[in-house]
Amino acid sequence: AIQMTQSPSSLSASVGDRVTITCRASQGIRNDLAWYQQKPGKAPKLLIYAASSLQSGVPSRFSGSGSGTDFTLTISSLQPEDFATYYCLQDYIYPRSFGQGTKLEIK
Amino acid sequence: EVQLLESGGGLVQPGGSLRISCVASGFTFSSYAMSWVRQGPGKGLEWVSTISGSGGATYYADSVKGRFTISRDNSKNTLFLQMNSLRVEDTAVYYCAKHRVGPTDTLDYWGQGTLVTVSS
Repeated sequence: AIQMTQSPSSLSASVGDRVTITCRASQGIRNDLAWYQQKPGKAPKLLIYAASSLQSGVPSRFSGSGSGTDFTLTISSLQPEDFATYYCLQDYIYPRSFGQGTKLEIK
Repeated sequence: EVQLLESGGGLVQPGGSLRISCVASGFTFSSYAMSWVRQGPGKGLEWVSTISGSGGATYYADSVKGRFTISRDNSKNTLFLQMNSLRVEDTAVYYCAKHRVGPTDTLDYWGQGTLVTVSS
């Protein structure tokens, strides 16, 4: 099974900061990677699919990049509503696997 | 508007069984694969199972293989997860999610979840 490793596991930042979260796959997964945002008590929300494609309705301050084994999610200018937990998911092969999550907190 | 509504969660004893459901609306249900994803208390997301649009292909996490069965009734726009031989570690919020069609078939819409608690 493919292991997905996210870093950091937690991050403190301020409104307006640029933030990058990384996800590394234990083997190559082409660009078959998605990023999700989850707020407490809510379902995850799709942000990015196919590593770099922005889901409809998601603000353009979110962007994704990468291919193969290394991927990044970047938030260009943090807004108050962006403080949440972020997960990557590999869509390359079954069993599907999520990263362990990155909790983004207000500094 | 895509809507996914889970139901059927509750308290069950270890070794017991439970079937949870997810009613879908706002899209042509039979055209899309569907999945179950769970989240234990204070934990991250764990993919559980996927079923193709026709129901002809199913996939399971090793942690539930042989105990859980995913199925669907396309005439009723409903997804099911039959959970047998439940363990304490199966306690979680269970989300159903719709797959997208395109360059990747990731999960694009999620329900709000149903809580399954396994405890004596």
